[in-house]
Amino acid sequence: GAVVSQHPSRVICKSGTSVKIECRSLDFQATTMFWYRQFPKQSLMLMATSNEGSKATYEQGVEKDKFLINHASLTLSTLTVTSAHPEDSSFYICSARDARVGQPQHFGDGTRLSIL
Amino acid sequence: AQTVTQSQPEMSVQEAETVTLSCTYDTSESDYYLFWYKQPPSRQMILVIRQEAYKQQNATENRFSVNFQKAAKSFSLKISDSQLGDAAMYFCAYRTDFGNEKLTFGTGTRLTIIP
Repeated sequence: GAVVSQHPSRVICKSGTSVKIECRSLDFQATTMFWYRQFPKQSLMLMATSNEGSKATYEQGVEKDKFLINHASLTLSTLTVTSAHPEDSSFYICSARDARVGQPQHFGDGTRLSIL
Repeated sequence: AQTVTQSQPEMSVQEAETVTLSCTYDTSESDYYLFWYKQPPSRQMILVIRQEAYKQQNATENRFSVNFQKAAKSFSLKISDSQLGDAAMYFCAYRTDFGNEKLTFGTGTRLTIIP
């Protein structure tokens, strides 16, 4: 079946560090990818929609300068958390929409980000 | 804006029994998709079942089936013959049929299987 690879799975770093998370569709082309954030025991909240070759669309309340999204190819989107602080600690999950009609979104395994 | 409501934060069921998880949603659209996702402790999001709003027939995937009531905007998940591996968080999700196809999730139901 369709696979989405998300890397890294776990990051622990100091406050002020910028962290890049990659989301790759391994066996299909993804014109659109989505980035979600999930706090403990809560639901997934959409942060932004990443479209190949164009600027990402951010949800209300999400700082686009804080969470930089790049979707440079049909199989790769990256989320960079710039100058991360402890309040940015969370679980980040990407999903990719198969460009073929009628296909569901496929999720990556998530990245647990811990800022010390 | 669409909203998805799961009114049961936690549910439990005896192994081999049947359990139903509730989901209601609010939308003004006529064409859309509904999903149930499972998130085990590994936190991987696993698609359990999907339903197209234009289809009257309820979707079924092995032990999983839905009761889709479009007029009532209800989309419940029934798990038959519950197994220990079914223990997880279950999220109901809505997706529009047009536009950027983003998913709107409910708050989730934690399902515990009692051996």
